[in-house]
Amino acid sequence: QSMLTQPPSASGTPGQRVTISCSGSTSNIGRNIVNWYQQLPGTAPKLLIYSNNQWPSGVPDRFSGSKSGTSASLAISGLQSEDEADYYCAAWDDSLKVWVFGGGTKLAVL
Amino acid sequence: EVQLVESGGGLVQPGGSLRLSCAASGFTFSTFEMDWVRQAPGKGLEWLSYISNGGSTTYYADSVKGRFTISRDDAKNLLYLQMNSLRDEDTAVYYCARDRRVCSGIYCYTHFDYWGQGTLVAVSS
Repeated sequence: QSMLTQPPSASGTPGQRVTISCSGSTSNIGRNIVNWYQQLPGTAPKLLIYSNNQWPSGVPDRFSGSKSGTSASLAISGLQSEDEADYYCAAWDDSLKVWVFGGGTKLAVL
Repeated sequence: EVQLVESGGGLVQPGGSLRLSCAASGFTFSTFEMDWVRQAPGKGLEWLSYISNGGSTTYYADSVKGRFTISRDDAKNLLYLQMNSLRDEDTAVYYCARDRRVCSGIYCYTHFDYWGQGTLVAVSS
């Protein structure tokens, strides 16, 4: 099944701003919202951003999401060492009737 | 406090079967839709299956359709994944996740707001 496209890796230094892109198609990102999940090393995924740009309780506003057309982005400002993690985008695909995830982006804080 | 605890993982031979359970607590389980997601070693997340509250509607990824069955027991607050005809490529950590539906006007959208800690399934001879 189709998968959303993310860069495999990203990096930045403490305090910097980094963005992670997520590309899909009309049937998924084009018609539905995008959610972002953070997976710290050795742990289960955790909801980071939902409905394109909403924060769950407890998530700092250094993290922000946006969507345009069939693409979405996650931005992390004021990068911190604890932000080192894998980040996944996800969207429901109306045609396939499945959730599709991005392949994940490993973020390194140098 | 919302908790999801998976169990039932282990080592199984190719062609074998396994049933995973996900014990839910801290919320009214019967009113929530639920999903299973897996992660092969060193790989990304793969959505597997969805079940509606009440259990009348299910969806599956092509990779498991016809082999895996999702079900729920609302009286016991349990979510299940029956896995048959297991293959080497089914080796993964399996997570259950709770769906949270957010509505704005006539539009409703879903995200996975809570995840379990995962249970490891290893398929090998």
